[in-house]
Order: sequence, then C-alpha cells, then structure tokens
Amino acid sequence: AQTVTQSQPEMSVQEAETVTLSCTYDTSENNYYLFWYKQPPSRQMILVIRQEAYKQQNATENRFSVNFQKAAKSFSLKISDSQLGDTAMYFCAFSRNNDMRFGAGTRLTVKP
Amino acid sequence: DSGVTQTPKHLITATGQRVTLRCSPRSGDLSVYWYQQSLDQGLQFLIQYYNGEERAKGNILERFSAQQFPDLHSELNLSSLELGDSALYFCASSAAGSPGNTIYFGEGSWLTVV
Repeated sequence: AQTVTQSQPEMSVQEAETVTLSCTYDTSENNYYLFWYKQPPSRQMILVIRQEAYKQQNATENRFSVNFQKAAKSFSLKISDSQLGDTAMYFCAFSRNNDMRFGAGTRLTVKP
Repeated sequence: DSGVTQTPKHLITATGQRVTLRCSPRSGDLSVYWYQQSLDQGLQFLIQYYNGEERAKGNILERFSAQQFPDLHSELNLSSLELGDSALYFCASSAAGSPGNTIYFGEGSWLTVV
C-alpha cells in the first residue's frame, strides 16, 4: 500500500516570504499522480497543485510550485510571496487508479 | 464550488443512534470516495465506489456502511454511534480518466455525537 509522510506538523512564515513544505511517499509503482490540497479554517479541501509522475518538469501554479524528485520519492511544495490567506492545513496526496491517500498534513501559519 | 454536494451540512445526534450522510458527485463522475476527518486530524480514507461497485475499502468500521446508487449518488450510513465518531465526513468524486486522477471534495458533513 502507498504511504505518504509529511514530517512537519507545523510551520510558520512571515508574510511575503517563501516557505517549503515537505512530503515523501512510498510506492513501487512507476505511474502515479501527486497532489497538494489546502484546507483553510473553513475546512473546505481545495486543490493547490498536481504533478504527473511521468513528467519531469515541475508543476507550477502562480505562487505555488513543486520540487518533484521521483528517485527520492519526494514532493515538496514551495509557496512564494506568502499571503495571510495561505494560512491553512496543507495535505500531500498520492493517487493511482483513482485511489488517493493523504499525508497527515502540515499546519502553515503566515504571520503579518 | 467543486460540484460535489453533501447533505446535511451539520448534524447532531445522540450516542447509539444511526445517521445517513448523502453525497451527489459532480456531473459525469463515476467514482465516489468517503473520508473521515476528526478534529485536528488528517483524512482517513473510508471507502470508494466506482459506478455502483465497491472499489476500495480503507479503515471503515463495521458499524459503518456505504453504497452508490444507479444515479451515482452515494450514502454513508453510520450506526450505533459513539462519541468518537464525531468528525467531518467528506465525500469526493472523480471521473475515470480525469486529469491526474484528480478528486474533488464536497464541503463535508459535520457530525456531532452527544
């Protein structure tokens, strides 16, 4: 079974600075997908970014980008120019054949 | 708005009771997932259905059951409720072959057992 590990339970960053959230996963599969979801205080689950394992190029969505290291099974999320609205829980997720599993989450606080 | 609809949004019930949570997936999505999130906890995968058939089962208690109907909506039944069952229950859906197997979440159903 696939496992997803987020080793940072909590992190904080000053507004306008950059922060990186870590995620590692374990799988024997070669084709899969990786995701970061954001859960603000409203508890809504919001897709932040998605990466296909067969693509070498790292995904980017505005201020959010990933560092995907397939051999190391690492998938970190970088948030640039952090904003107060980025304060949330961030979940890393692994998916294959529509079976998605989540890490335990990292609580990010952006400080003014 | 993700397109996934869950009802009820909030529910308070007593221990020992039974409740049913309902989910309507996004139009055209065949897969439905149920997740449980207790306070300050991560997402626990409960069960997945694909086009009416059970596809995968996670840490779902025997007191819980689910089904997906021919119109693709799904229901999660929780019985003999205990205080520890208080949680946010998410339904999510995805289309077969959806980009990156992306799943889309509903807003969740808050269950409080007293």
